[in-house]
Amino acid sequence: SQQGEEDPQALSIQEGENATMNCSYKTSINNLQWYRQNSGRGLVHLILIRSNEREKHSGRLRVTLDTSKKSSSLLITASRAADTASYFCATDAVGGNNRKLIWGLGTSLAVNP
Amino acid sequence: GAGVSQTPSNKVTEKGKYVELRCDPISGHTALYWYRQSLGQGPEFLIYFQGTGAADDSGLPNDRFFAVRPEGSVSTLKIQRTERGDSAVYLCASSARSGSGADTQYFGPGTRLTVL
Repeated sequence: SQQGEEDPQALSIQEGENATMNCSYKTSINNLQWYRQNSGRGLVHLILIRSNEREKHSGRLRVTLDTSKKSSSLLITASRAADTASYFCATDAVGGNNRKLIWGLGTSLAVNP
Repeated sequence: GAGVSQTPSNKVTEKGKYVELRCDPISGHTALYWYRQSLGQGPEFLIYFQGTGAADDSGLPNDRFFAVRPEGSVSTLKIQRTERGDSAVYLCASSARSGSGADTQYFGPGTRLTVL
């Protein structure tokens, strides 16, 4: 079952522009992670934000988390053609022995040179 | 160091056949996960191992699917009596510590299974 929903489903921008992707989820979480997937490198972890954090930065990436709205956003600044990929959010649920990640459907980002 | 590897990279089989998919995790990683990804979807959790034992197999779709990790390293996902609906990319991931959700999961390239 899918936990998260990303929007938009697809995004096309020009190189140098910023890209914003959103993720919503359904249950209380411990952490939320963003991954990138492209055909060349498979799924790659980008950034993790804990449930008690509101914002986190890593290079050109900025992630926000709003637990009251059960949503997160990923901002990629000054995009490059190499950022073209699908981006997924993944969450782990609170409680039990649950260590699995529940994934959204992903946002397909195309950065045009 | 070497990442997670999976073999074969592609597997084509006929409906009703048995298949085995192999995952070699990063050396020293105690947690291992199997996911399945269909076209246009996010990964779907199948099973999680902590060491040799399956700590959570709630994602296995039915009893045709099972997985083993006898020595706490390499894992094999086994699918009996394959069906066309089993066609997907099967992803393996490993993580370093307790397998908590806070640990980064490192993914292999996947095995693309096609059931004809």
